[in-house]
Amino acid sequence: DIQMTQSPSSLSASVGDRVTITCRASRSIRSSLNWYQQKPGKAPKLLIYAASSLQSGVPSRYSGSGSGTDFTLTISSLQPEDFATYFCQQSYSTPQTFGQGTRVEIK
Amino acid sequence: EVQLLESGGGLVQPGGSLRLSCAASGFTFSSYAMSWVRQAPGKGLEWVSGITGSGGNTYYADSVKGRFTISRDNSKNTLYLQMNSLRAEDTAVFHCAKGGPTVFGAFGFDYWGQGALVTVSS
Repeated sequence: DIQMTQSPSSLSASVGDRVTITCRASRSIRSSLNWYQQKPGKAPKLLIYAASSLQSGVPSRYSGSGSGTDFTLTISSLQPEDFATYFCQQSYSTPQTFGQGTRVEIK
Repeated sequence: EVQLLESGGGLVQPGGSLRLSCAASGFTFSSYAMSWVRQAPGKGLEWVSGITGSGGNTYYADSVKGRFTISRDNSKNTLYLQMNSLRAEDTAVFHCAKGGPTVFGAFGFDYWGQGALVTVSS
């Protein structure tokens, strides 16, 4: 199975900050990497697919980059509604696997 | 508008069985792979199982292989998860999720249901 390792596991940031979350795969997954946002009690929401493609309706302050084993999710200017938990997911092979999550909290 | 609505969750004793359903609407159901993803209380996301649009190919996490069966009825736009030999560690919210044209590839899960809570306890 492909292991996905996210870092950090949590971070504190202020509104307006630039935030970067990284995800590393245990072997190459090409560009089959997706990012989700989840708020308490809600289903995850797809933000980025195929490593860098912005899902329809997602604000442009979100961006993704990377290929192979190393990937990054960037929020260019953190907004109040962005405080949530973020997960990466590889869809290159089954079983599909998720990172352990990064909780973004208000500083 | 795409909608996914799960049903069938509940409380079951260890060793028991439960069948989840996911009613889909708003898209051509048979054209898309579907998956089940679960989340134990306070934990992260775990992909459980996936199925191709035709239903001809199915895939499972090792943790459920041999105990869970995924299926779909494209005439009813409904996805199923039959869960047998349930264990306490299967306690979770189970979400159905719409994938791309194949189970794996450069696609994410673009729509999710709100989830069905499965509690395995005596």
